[in-house]
Amino acid sequence: KNEVEQSPQNLTAQEGEFITINCSYSVGISALHWLQQHPGGGIVSLFMLSSGKKKHGRLIATINIQEKHSSLHITASHPRDSAVYICAVRDTDKLIFGTGTRLQVFP
Amino acid sequence: DTEVTQTPKHLVMGMTNKKSLKCEQHMGHRAMYWYKQKAKKPPELMFVYSYEKLSINESVPSRFSPECPNSSLLNLHLHALQPEDSALYLCASSESGSHTGELFFGEGSRLTVL
Repeated sequence: KNEVEQSPQNLTAQEGEFITINCSYSVGISALHWLQQHPGGGIVSLFMLSSGKKKHGRLIATINIQEKHSSLHITASHPRDSAVYICAVRDTDKLIFGTGTRLQVFP
Repeated sequence: DTEVTQTPKHLVMGMTNKKSLKCEQHMGHRAMYWYKQKAKKPPELMFVYSYEKLSINESVPSRFSPECPNSSLLNLHLHALQPEDSALYLCASSESGSHTGELFFGEGSRLTVL
């Protein structure tokens, strides 16, 4: 079993839909990162969380430390949100990555 | 300036060539990283430099040789690579320590080894 599990692995949506991507982890962590990667491209850091909730534009990230679970929400999804979303947790001095969620948003 | 700049964006090399990947940041970050990413896989950590000293080497083969000439620059020297080393090589930086704080990634250098 992976230490960081994401669901779903693949997700398709129509433009405007509300999207949720989930991340569960089994190790003790000091922080959790949500990252975005467009096809063939570099990685963009969306959020770093250690507790509670953060919002940036149409993106919202939450974390429940007791349940070892985080969610990334996208409101009013747009085709430009199509990308791979990666959850990564900081364990001591390294990041443990999830396998990513591939999101496609169609017009 | 919140950018991590990687050059070249694409590199094709033969197994006997020697080449280098370069990474630069001007955010005053004191930790810099090399990651390797194969298609449809998450990044794999290769090296971490913290305050210009190599702090983590994830048992990477010696045909990959990192160098941190100063706090803004990180190089990855490549020699006698194998075709299975073809991948996207990502550089990242963070303010201090190893993976402390937000990570800033470059666009990557896509390497093809023939």
